[in-house]
Amino acid sequence: NAGVTQTPKFRVLKTGQSMTLLCAQDMNHEYMYWYRQDPGMGLRLIHYSVGEGTTAKGEVPDGYNVSRLKKQNFLLGLESAAPSQTSVYFCASTTTVKMNTEAFFGQGTRLTVV
Amino acid sequence: RKEVEQDPGPFNVPEGATVAFNCTYSNSASQSFFWYRQDCRKEPKLLMSVYSSGNEDGRFTAQLNRASQYISLLIRDSKLSDSATYLCAVYSSASKIIFGSGTRLSIRP
Repeated sequence: NAGVTQTPKFRVLKTGQSMTLLCAQDMNHEYMYWYRQDPGMGLRLIHYSVGEGTTAKGEVPDGYNVSRLKKQNFLLGLESAAPSQTSVYFCASTTTVKMNTEAFFGQGTRLTVV
Repeated sequence: RKEVEQDPGPFNVPEGATVAFNCTYSNSASQSFFWYRQDCRKEPKLLMSVYSSGNEDGRFTAQLNRASQYISLLIRDSKLSDSATYLCAVYSSASKIIFGSGTRLSIRP
């Protein structure tokens, strides 16, 4: 059972480079989320999607863009990477937020911007 | 002010101790509440949901106080294997899932 898969697992970027992180889930979940985690900061919501074709801003959206062209995939883009975007990125998905349903996480992407 | 605030810790307690964490949330329309556990360099995993009437799962007890807008997690008879970071999560309005900053727990022999 794949669950939530993030690609890549690790990446080193130079300042100004662009990249796309892919989150894929095979559970037919409507809701998908991108977070970043920095030491002592917990998980901060970047962007999220409540269904195919929709996206919305979270707590820290600046410097990131997202797309949800297919229900199973949620892409996070960095157009011009900055050292402040060095972080661990987690994707999560869930079937609904109306009831006490679990959110499932990918294994994370460790991104370093030099 | 952050939408979800959590005791920062760290907590360092001896094996067998009882430890409690609190988490407050600011959006009174929040619908669902959870505690997640995160081991070092791993993804968070659900520990337990938090129900209005309070709920227990073995040594773990979760409580919700809607009037004061906080949730709590109590761990009894702590084990070495309980060492981890504990994150509260709130399903907020507009379908957002907001996490607290996490509380690091270390259990010493």
